[in-house]
Amino acid sequence: EVQLVQSGAEVKKPGESLKISCKGSGYSFTSYWIGWVRQMPGKGLEWMGIIYPGDSDTRYSPSFQGQVTISADKSISTAYLQWSSLKASDTAMYYCASSGGEWLRFGFGYWGQGTLVTVSS
Amino acid sequence: DIQMTQSPSSVSASVGDRVTITCRASQGISSWLAWYQQKPGKAPKLLIYAASSLQSGVPSRFSGSGSGTDFTLTISSLQPEDFATYYCQQANSFPHTFGQGTKLEIK
Repeated sequence: EVQLVQSGAEVKKPGESLKISCKGSGYSFTSYWIGWVRQMPGKGLEWMGIIYPGDSDTRYSPSFQGQVTISADKSISTAYLQWSSLKASDTAMYYCASSGGEWLRFGFGYWGQGTLVTVSS
Repeated sequence: DIQMTQSPSSVSASVGDRVTITCRASQGISSWLAWYQQKPGKAPKLLIYAASSLQSGVPSRFSGSGSGTDFTLTISSLQPEDFATYYCQQANSFPHTFGQGTKLEIK
């Protein structure tokens, strides 16, 4: 069974750094892209970026390029999303998602449970 | 980037109704379009991939069609559990942008 398990909710202050995680299991983690999706409170889904753990090829949406860093540690089947200096506007639910064992062009068939990030002074 | 525009933004319907949601891409995306359903407090769920292929386990009342720039998601006979927000996503080229969502509400 494909599973993506994300790290727990975070409460941070503006200017702090943060790294959240997403651990994949039940499929070949290194062979399929894994992406990150933002959902601000009461808003829609925003595609942030994606990484291919096999060779760390990473692509970002222009809206998020330079604002976050996506990485992966294939030895522990875990992808990461990190910020160096959080802003209040980073407050959102963040989902990791993957096509699992399917072609990425078939969409994200598997999703993590979400990590709520709250940034407040 | 490819922009995805859904219409309507919201729709009210009754159990048993047939509902159609449309999604338009700002440039051609072949058939690389997915549809998702999201309920409050839950992660999105893939319903349709490659424009018209039903994801395993998804009821057959959901169907998708289209290619190029214009796509539709149809729910043939609404059930109470179908009231949710629906998103399209293009998977033709990075970034794989989402539409803004369509909220399906009970009339």
